[in-house]
Amino acid sequence: AQKVTQAQTEISVVEKEDVTLDCVYETRDTTYYLFWYKQPPSGELVFLIRRNSFDEQNEISGRYSWNFQKSTSSFNFTITASQVVDSAVYFCALSEAWDTGRRALTFGSGTRLQVQP
Amino acid sequence: ETGVTQTPRHLVMGMTNKKSLKCEQHLGHNAMYWYKQSAKKPLELMFVYSLEERVENNSVPSRFSPECPNSSHLFLHLHTLQPEDSALYLCASSQEASAESSGNTIYFGEGSWLTVV
Repeated sequence: AQKVTQAQTEISVVEKEDVTLDCVYETRDTTYYLFWYKQPPSGELVFLIRRNSFDEQNEISGRYSWNFQKSTSSFNFTITASQVVDSAVYFCALSEAWDTGRRALTFGSGTRLQVQP
Repeated sequence: ETGVTQTPRHLVMGMTNKKSLKCEQHLGHNAMYWYKQSAKKPLELMFVYSLEERVENNSVPSRFSPECPNSSHLFLHLHTLQPEDSALYLCASSQEASAESSGNTIYFGEGSWLTVV
């Protein structure tokens, strides 16, 4: 069975600090996809990034960067120079192929990030 | 404006009531999903529809009844719910819902906050 672990329940930083959110996953699939979503207080899950298991190149998008390490089954997310608007719950997710051939996302429990002004 | 819209955003219902949650996606996708998000629990997949056919029912009690009349609309009919069913119900869509397309990104709506009293 697939599993996603976000060990950090809550992180609090001061604005302009860098912060890294950890994600560790387990899967028996050889082909899989990893995702990060942001959930602000409004409730909507906002898609941030998708990464497939064959692409271990790290990615940077503005203040966001992602470090995918297959050897340690980790897909960590770093926010550089955090801002108050970054305050949200962040979810890591793994796509899985069910026995029926269908797919769905397995989510971690989320990390609540609070950025203080 | 989000590509996936949900109504109502907030719903309070008694245990003997019958109500429905509605979801509409404007992205031209073929797959739609219902997820449940309870306090302190990971997001749980409830149902998956692909081309209006229910392809997964993830051990959800029969008091939750989904309906997908076409690929753009998804309903969740609620009856005789329990207080523990109070949660955020998230609708989502993706281009496809097959293992072969597991890289498809799932896009979420803002959710419907349900309180059962």
